[in-house]
Amino acid sequence: IAGITQAPTSQILAAGRRMTLRCTQDMRHNAMYWYRQDLGLGLRLIHYSNTAGTTGKGEVPDGYSVSRANTDDFPLTLASAVPSQTSVYFCASSASAAGELFFGEGSRLTVL
Amino acid sequence: GQNIDQPTEMTATEGAIVQINCTYQTSGFNGLFWYQQHAGEAPTFLSYNVLDGLEEKGRFSSFLSRSKGYSYLLLKELQMKDSASYLCVSMDSNYQLIWGAGTKLIIKP
Repeated sequence: IAGITQAPTSQILAAGRRMTLRCTQDMRHNAMYWYRQDLGLGLRLIHYSNTAGTTGKGEVPDGYSVSRANTDDFPLTLASAVPSQTSVYFCASSASAAGELFFGEGSRLTVL
Repeated sequence: GQNIDQPTEMTATEGAIVQINCTYQTSGFNGLFWYQQHAGEAPTFLSYNVLDGLEEKGRFSSFLSRSKGYSYLLLKELQMKDSASYLCVSMDSNYQLIWGAGTKLIIKP
């Protein structure tokens, strides 16, 4: 089934640990995004990639890094997790910059 | 600044009609999206408006007034499965998305 796959779906992590959230899409979409969703707030963009080989910073990029080595994969890395990074993380893709977003199922991350 | 305003929560009765309003302020404008998000799930696309007027899609309709910076989502013949959060999202001139915090819609039998 075509779509976006995120892993892990849930993770509890000690502060200071490194963590990579994986995201893979098989729709051959050019654009990919990482968002975090916190209670009472709109989705906030962390990083994005308009095409393979390029990445950009979103609204809340500090403490996070991404790479886009190919069209399908867009991992998000927390170099040294902090409790304020406790959130639900969504990966999304779109065929174009103005197109609708297709979301993965989300990764619930708890940093203690 | 850029922002989206929509009610935090609304309650409606099964079988009825509900209108969820959204006002937006963006630097330029390239369209207005509505997404549905059930609790514990990912958002899913509902509608996209870039021109003024009403777009109907089954039980759901979306309206846009660019001059007023205003949109609404109209849900007819409400079903229990429509209980969800509805996210209003505007796109600015740089194709950046500005997300509202969402309106939690509670449907009562």
